Amino acid sequence: GAGVSQSPSNKVTEKGKDVELRCDPISGHTALYWYRQRLGQGLEFLIYFQGNSAPDKSGLPSDRFSAERTGGSVSTLTIQRTQQEDSAVYLCASSLGTSLYNEQFFGPGTRLTVL
Amino acid sequence: AQSVAQPEDQVNVAEGNPLTVKCTYSVSGNPYLFWYVQYPNRGLQFLLKYITGDNLVKGSYGFEAEFNKSQTSFHLKKPSALVSDSALYFCADYNDYKLSFGAGTTVTVRA
Repeated sequence: GAGVSQSPSNKVTEKGKDVELRCDPISGHTALYWYRQRLGQGLEFLIYFQGNSAPDKSGLPSDRFSAERTGGSVSTLTIQRTQQEDSAVYLCASSLGTSLYNEQFFGPGTRLTVL
Repeated sequence: AQSVAQPEDQVNVAEGNPLTVKCTYSVSGNPYLFWYVQYPNRGLQFLLKYITGDNLVKGSYGFEAEFNKSQTSFHLKKPSALVSDSALYFCADYNDYKLSFGAGTTVTVRA
């Protein structure tokens, strides 16, 4: 079956512009996660959704970052007034639930470059 | 503070030799530990996990990992490495519904 998909695969933007990154989880997966992978660093947790609600937004680096999920499916991560330090690969993952027994399946990521 | 650490940025081995990728943890209570692999231009793929039970965990692609409580380690191993094992490997800890990842170790297997 189809895995997690993300769009766009690459995004180049100018400093100060807003960007939207999209994640389509695996059908039936109620949990959805966003992570950020900066060059040479590990993955940083940003936010997760259980259904449409986001119980943990602790990883969002600033108020320029927001995310929503509608219909318990597609999620959008929005970065307002982008800065060069926002350049990274943004990864989305989904799982059947938030239990540690539920494997997280990752998408291919969106590579964001802020000039 | 990071709950898992990968002390080596890079590991280089010859094909056919044993491969070890190191991970240590600093989690209070029972750790729930994972290994993921990231091939070039692809998303992360789950390899294996330790939750409870046997300290030796077997996973995908011939990999295994040993949970060692006294050394607070969860090293990933493969008895005979393949060139196709060249990738970026991440150790992670599950806590509060999310994964916390180490910085990653780049493995290069030369023919």
